[in-house]
Amino acid sequence: QKEVEQNSGPLSVPEGAIASLNCTYSDRVSQSFFWYRQYSGKSPELIMSIYSNGDKEDGRFTAQLNKASQYVSLLIRDSQPSDSATYLCAGRLSSGSARQLTFGSGTQLTVLP
Amino acid sequence: GAVVSQHPSRVICKSGTSVKIECRSLDFQATTMFWYRQFPKKSLMLMATSNEGSKATYEQGVEKDKFLINHASLTLSTLTVTSAHPEDSSFYICSAPLGSETQYFGPGTRLLVL
Repeated sequence: QKEVEQNSGPLSVPEGAIASLNCTYSDRVSQSFFWYRQYSGKSPELIMSIYSNGDKEDGRFTAQLNKASQYVSLLIRDSQPSDSATYLCAGRLSSGSARQLTFGSGTQLTVLP
Repeated sequence: GAVVSQHPSRVICKSGTSVKIECRSLDFQATTMFWYRQFPKKSLMLMATSNEGSKATYEQGVEKDKFLINHASLTLSTLTVTSAHPEDSSFYICSAPLGSETQYFGPGTRLLVL
Protein backbone atom coordinates (compact mmCIF):
# COMPACT_ATOMS: atom_id res chain seq x y z
CA GLN A 1 0.00 0.00 0.00
CA LYS A 2 1.22 3.47 -0.85
CA GLU A 3 1.72 5.75 2.11
CA VAL A 4 -0.76 8.32 0.79
CA GLU A 5 -3.28 7.44 -1.89
CA GLN A 6 -5.50 9.70 -3.93
CA ASN A 7 -7.94 9.17 -6.73
CA SER A 8 -6.07 10.65 -9.67
CA GLY A 9 -9.27 11.74 -11.33
CA PRO A 10 -9.81 13.71 -13.41
CA LEU A 11 -12.65 15.21 -11.44
CA SER A 12 -14.96 17.66 -13.14
CA VAL A 13 -17.56 19.78 -11.38
CA PRO A 14 -19.73 22.67 -12.61
CA GLU A 15 -19.02 26.18 -11.41
CA GLY A 16 -20.67 26.84 -8.06
CA ALA A 17 -20.78 23.18 -7.04
CA ILE A 18 -18.91 21.50 -4.19
CA ALA A 19 -15.75 19.66 -5.17
CA SER A 20 -14.77 16.77 -2.91
CA LEU A 21 -11.22 15.48 -2.94
CA ASN A 22 -10.27 12.40 -0.99
CA CYS A 23 -7.13 10.84 0.38
CA THR A 24 -6.33 7.75 2.45
CA TYR A 25 -3.13 7.03 4.30
CA SER A 26 -1.25 4.10 5.74
CA ASP A 27 0.00 3.40 9.25
CA ARG A 28 3.40 4.75 8.21
CA VAL A 29 2.02 8.26 8.05
CA SER A 30 1.61 10.36 11.17
CA GLN A 31 -1.34 12.48 12.05
CA SER A 32 -0.33 15.71 10.29
CA PHE A 33 -1.84 16.35 6.89
CA PHE A 34 -1.61 19.01 4.27
CA TRP A 35 -3.42 19.92 1.10
CA TYR A 36 -1.46 21.61 -1.67
CA ARG A 37 -2.75 23.07 -4.92
CA GLN A 38 -0.57 22.89 -8.02
CA TYR A 39 -1.40 24.76 -11.19
CA SER A 40 0.01 23.37 -14.40
CA GLY A 41 3.67 24.25 -14.76
CA LYS A 42 3.87 25.72 -11.27
CA SER A 43 5.06 24.45 -7.92
CA PRO A 44 2.67 23.40 -5.14
CA GLU A 45 1.21 25.98 -2.80
CA LEU A 46 -0.12 25.16 0.64
CA ILE A 47 -3.89 25.48 1.03
CA MET A 48 -4.61 23.92 4.38
CA SER A 49 -3.16 21.82 7.14
CA ILE A 50 -5.08 19.63 9.56
CA TYR A 51 -3.86 17.81 12.62
CA SER A 52 -6.95 16.96 14.66
CA ASN A 53 -9.96 14.78 14.00
CA GLY A 54 -12.90 16.66 12.55
CA ASP A 55 -13.32 19.60 10.23
CA LYS A 56 -11.24 22.70 9.67
CA GLU A 57 -12.67 25.52 7.61
CA ASP A 58 -10.87 28.34 5.82
CA GLY A 59 -13.00 30.39 3.48
CA ARG A 60 -14.38 28.14 0.77
CA PHE A 61 -12.14 25.27 1.81
CA THR A 62 -12.89 22.65 4.45
CA ALA A 63 -10.44 19.93 5.38
CA GLN A 64 -11.74 16.84 7.14
CA LEU A 65 -9.69 14.29 9.04
CA ASN A 66 -10.92 10.91 10.25
CA LYS A 67 -8.11 9.13 12.06
CA ALA A 68 -10.10 5.95 12.69
CA SER A 69 -10.69 5.48 8.98
CA GLN A 70 -7.29 6.96 8.01
CA TYR A 71 -9.05 9.29 5.67
CA VAL A 72 -8.57 12.98 4.91
CA SER A 73 -10.59 15.08 2.48
CA LEU A 74 -10.81 18.57 1.07
CA LEU A 75 -14.10 20.20 0.18
CA ILE A 76 -14.20 23.25 -2.05
CA ARG A 77 -17.48 25.11 -1.87
CA ASP A 78 -18.76 27.39 -4.62
CA SER A 79 -16.10 26.04 -6.99
CA GLN A 80 -14.65 28.51 -9.44
CA PRO A 81 -12.84 27.91 -12.74
CA SER A 82 -9.74 29.32 -11.04
CA ASP A 83 -9.84 26.32 -8.70
CA SER A 84 -8.98 24.07 -11.63
CA ALA A 85 -5.65 22.53 -10.68
CA THR A 86 -4.08 19.37 -9.31
CA TYR A 87 -4.58 18.93 -5.59
CA LEU A 88 -1.93 17.06 -3.63
CA CYS A 89 -2.55 15.42 -0.29
CA ALA A 90 0.53 15.10 1.92
CA GLY A 91 1.27 13.59 5.29
CA ARG A 92 4.25 13.39 7.55
CA LEU A 93 6.00 10.01 7.80
CA SER A 94 6.12 8.49 11.25
CA SER A 95 9.78 7.58 10.69
CA GLY A 96 12.56 9.43 8.94
CA SER A 97 13.07 13.17 9.02
CA ALA A 98 10.58 14.87 11.30
CA ARG A 99 9.91 17.42 8.61
CA GLN A 100 9.68 15.12 5.62
CA LEU A 101 6.35 14.89 3.81
CA THR A 102 5.07 12.12 1.60
CA PHE A 103 2.73 13.06 -1.21
CA GLY A 104 -0.15 11.40 -2.95
CA SER A 105 -0.20 11.28 -6.72
CA GLY A 106 -2.61 14.21 -6.89
CA THR A 107 -6.18 14.67 -8.11
CA GLN A 108 -6.77 16.79 -11.18
CA LEU A 109 -9.80 19.02 -10.73
CA THR A 110 -11.55 20.88 -13.52
CA VAL A 111 -14.28 23.39 -12.71
CA LEU A 112 -16.46 23.92 -15.73
CA PRO A 113 -17.85 27.44 -16.31
CA GLY B 1 3.73 33.87 4.07
CA ALA B 2 7.21 32.48 3.91
CA VAL B 3 9.00 32.76 0.58
CA VAL B 4 11.36 30.32 -1.05
CA SER B 5 13.08 31.27 -4.28
CA GLN B 6 14.78 29.16 -6.91
CA HIS B 7 17.18 30.11 -9.65
CA PRO B 8 17.15 29.65 -12.54
CA SER B 9 13.50 29.14 -13.33
CA ARG B 10 14.32 27.49 -16.62
CA VAL B 11 17.49 26.09 -18.10
CA ILE B 12 18.37 24.40 -21.35
CA CYS B 13 21.72 22.68 -21.59
CA LYS B 14 23.62 20.26 -23.76
CA SER B 15 24.06 16.66 -22.79
CA GLY B 16 27.18 16.16 -20.68
CA THR B 17 27.19 19.55 -19.02
CA SER B 18 26.47 20.29 -15.38
CA VAL B 19 23.70 22.49 -14.12
CA LYS B 20 23.45 24.18 -10.72
CA ILE B 21 20.10 25.10 -9.20
CA GLU B 22 19.88 27.38 -6.18
CA CYS B 23 17.20 27.34 -3.51
CA ARG B 24 16.94 30.19 -1.02
CA SER B 25 14.71 30.83 1.93
CA LEU B 26 14.15 34.58 1.77
CA ASP B 27 12.79 35.55 5.15
CA PHE B 28 13.57 32.64 7.39
CA GLN B 29 16.37 30.25 8.14
CA ALA B 30 16.17 26.66 7.01
CA THR B 31 18.55 24.08 8.43
CA THR B 32 16.78 21.51 6.28
CA MET B 33 15.59 21.78 2.70
CA PHE B 34 14.11 19.16 0.44
CA TRP B 35 14.69 18.56 -3.26
CA TYR B 36 12.00 17.01 -5.43
CA ARG B 37 11.65 16.20 -9.08
CA GLN B 38 8.41 15.93 -10.96
CA PHE B 39 7.74 14.43 -14.36
CA PRO B 40 4.76 15.61 -16.41
CA LYS B 41 1.44 14.64 -14.87
CA LYS B 42 3.20 12.77 -12.07
CA SER B 43 3.48 13.54 -8.40
CA LEU B 44 6.45 14.89 -6.54
CA MET B 45 9.30 12.50 -5.94
CA LEU B 46 11.58 13.31 -3.05
CA MET B 47 15.17 13.11 -4.16
CA ALA B 48 17.09 14.15 -1.09
CA THR B 49 17.10 16.06 2.15
CA SER B 50 19.63 18.85 2.33
CA ASN B 51 21.11 19.47 5.77
CA GLU B 52 23.01 22.60 6.71
CA GLY B 53 26.44 21.70 8.00
CA SER B 54 26.28 18.01 7.13
CA LYS B 55 25.86 15.65 4.20
CA ALA B 56 22.61 15.38 2.33
CA THR B 57 20.41 12.34 2.79
CA TYR B 58 19.46 10.74 -0.50
CA GLU B 59 16.38 8.67 -1.20
CA GLN B 60 16.76 5.15 -2.47
CA GLY B 61 17.61 5.05 -6.14
CA VAL B 62 18.92 8.61 -6.34
CA GLU B 63 22.57 8.80 -7.34
CA LYS B 64 24.38 11.08 -4.95
CA ASP B 65 27.33 11.50 -7.32
CA LYS B 66 25.01 12.68 -10.06
CA PHE B 67 22.87 14.98 -7.97
CA LEU B 68 25.26 16.92 -5.77
CA ILE B 69 23.70 18.83 -2.92
CA ASN B 70 25.41 21.51 -0.88
CA HIS B 71 23.68 23.34 1.94
CA ALA B 72 26.06 26.26 2.13
CA SER B 73 24.24 28.38 4.67
CA LEU B 74 21.04 28.60 6.67
CA THR B 75 19.28 30.16 3.68
CA LEU B 76 20.86 28.46 0.67
CA SER B 77 20.92 24.95 -0.74
CA THR B 78 22.18 24.05 -4.19
CA LEU B 79 21.50 21.05 -6.39
CA THR B 80 24.00 20.33 -9.15
CA VAL B 81 23.00 17.90 -11.86
CA THR B 82 26.32 16.59 -13.10
CA SER B 83 26.90 15.31 -16.64
CA ALA B 84 23.25 15.87 -17.46
CA HIS B 85 21.50 13.62 -19.94
CA PRO B 86 18.12 13.96 -21.65
CA GLU B 87 16.51 11.63 -19.10
CA ASP B 88 17.40 14.18 -16.40
CA SER B 89 15.01 16.65 -18.02
CA SER B 90 12.38 17.35 -15.41
CA PHE B 91 10.86 19.92 -13.10
CA TYR B 92 13.02 20.30 -9.99
CA ILE B 93 11.43 21.84 -6.92
CA CYS B 94 12.89 22.64 -3.54
CA SER B 95 11.04 23.17 -0.31
CA ALA B 96 11.90 24.47 3.11
CA PRO B 97 10.03 23.76 6.31
CA LEU B 98 8.97 26.62 8.53
CA GLY B 99 8.58 25.52 12.09
CA SER B 100 7.80 21.89 12.72
CA GLU B 101 4.98 21.40 10.27
CA THR B 102 4.62 23.59 7.25
CA GLN B 103 6.70 23.29 4.09
CA TYR B 104 6.94 26.03 1.53
CA PHE B 105 7.92 25.30 -2.02
CA GLY B 106 10.12 27.25 -4.37
CA PRO B 107 8.72 28.10 -7.81
CA GLY B 108 10.64 25.25 -9.43
CA THR B 109 13.28 24.93 -12.11
CA ARG B 110 12.47 23.39 -15.44
CA LEU B 111 15.50 21.60 -16.87
CA LEU B 112 15.71 20.53 -20.48
CA VAL B 113 18.77 18.57 -21.55
CA LEU B 114 19.28 18.35 -25.27
